[in-house]
Amino acid sequence: AQTVTQSQPEMSVQEAETVTLSCTYDTSESNYYLFWYKQPPSRQMILVIRQEAYKQQNATENRFSVNFQKAAKSFSLKISDSQLGDTAMYFCAFMNSGGSNYKLTFGKGTLLTVNP
Amino acid sequence: DTEVTQTPKHLVMGMTNKKSLKCEQHMGHRAMYWYKQKAKKPPELMFVYSYEKLSINESVPSRFSPECPNSSLLNLHLHALQPEDSALYLCASSQDGLAGVGEQYFGPGTRLTVT
Repeated sequence: AQTVTQSQPEMSVQEAETVTLSCTYDTSESNYYLFWYKQPPSRQMILVIRQEAYKQQNATENRFSVNFQKAAKSFSLKISDSQLGDTAMYFCAFMNSGGSNYKLTFGKGTLLTVNP
Repeated sequence: DTEVTQTPKHLVMGMTNKKSLKCEQHMGHRAMYWYKQKAKKPPELMFVYSYEKLSINESVPSRFSPECPNSSLLNLHLHALQPEDSALYLCASSQDGLAGVGEQYFGPGTRLTVT
């Protein structure tokens, strides 16, 4: 079974600064997907970024980028130029590829607060 | 458009009531999901429908009854709930896992309170 670990229950950052959220995972699979989801206080879960394990290039979406280290089973999220609207719970998630890949395994989440 | 809609936004029900939660998506996704989420916890998977057939039931009590009338709609029928069932219920959809990455898109949720 896969596990996802987010070791930082809470973090805070000043507006306009950069912050990195950590995520490690454990799997015996070679092909899989990794995701970061954001859940603001309004509670809608939003997909921030995804990474296919077979791709060496790190995914980037505007101010959000990941550092994917497959050998180390690490998948950290970097948020540049933090904005007040980035305040949210961030969940790292894992999904097997191929077959009936419906199950997302979530980490426990990191509550990020962006301070003015 | 990556929109999943859910109604109602809030629901308060007694333990003897029967109510239903509704979810709709028009992205052509063929997999739809129900999750339960407690405060400050990750979502817990309840059910998965693939091509309108129930493919995963995570040992959910029978007081929760899912239904998928067509490829765009997903219902969750509630009956004789307990106070501990109070939570945010999230619906999600994705392309069928065999067809693509299958990242899941979530609706805004229904905040359920059982009194």
